[in-house]
Amino acid sequence: KQEVTQIPAALSVPEGENLVLNCSFTDSAIYNLQWFRQDPGKGLTSLLLIQSSQREQTSGRLNASLDKSSGRSTLYIAASQPGDSATYLCAVGDRGSTLGRLYFGRGTQLTVWP
Amino acid sequence: GAGVSQSPRYKVAKRGQDVALRCDPISGHVSLFWYQQALGQGPEFLTYFQNEAQLDKSGLPSDRFFAERPEGSVSTLKIQRTQQEDSAVYLCASSLLNTGGNQPQHFGDGTRLSIL
Repeated sequence: KQEVTQIPAALSVPEGENLVLNCSFTDSAIYNLQWFRQDPGKGLTSLLLIQSSQREQTSGRLNASLDKSSGRSTLYIAASQPGDSATYLCAVGDRGSTLGRLYFGRGTQLTVWP
Repeated sequence: GAGVSQSPRYKVAKRGQDVALRCDPISGHVSLFWYQQALGQGPEFLTYFQNEAQLDKSGLPSDRFFAERPEGSVSTLKIQRTQQEDSAVYLCASSLLNTGGNQPQHFGDGTRLSIL
């Protein structure tokens, strides 16, 4: 069974810092990897989707990389802002499972203070 | 609306009662997923529909859980004889048909279920 781990579990930084969130997965046979943001009491917002054939994706201040062979992904947040405070979840679509089914990590809770 | 809509947003029930949770996916989205998120955890897969067909229900924790999507749009997750361990946030997600892992899933805000 696919296992997804996220490090660190929580992170508190001052505004303006560049951040790296880490995600690892146990089975490299994946369709894709997605990074989500979850605000308290809310659902998940898709930030970036990397297909298995891709190495990275970028959106604004966010950049996600994928190293499928080593089972790792990183989410890089540039010039962090208080509005970035949320829980960030990593999820993989596993080739051994129903197409579209996602396996999630427990998330990294990010706090950016002014 | 443009997003996935779930109702009710909050549901409190006594142990042993039956509950029904509703999901309205984004119009035109063929794929629909239900996930269960316990406090402090990531979402866990429950079941998957492609149109009206339930193609994977391997994540349903017991036969007290039942899901349907009779016309290929709105879906209902039903939990019979609720127990305290059913307390969680239930999330619904939809996407266009995923032919190669290139379709992101769009999530609703969830239903927070509390069993007393």
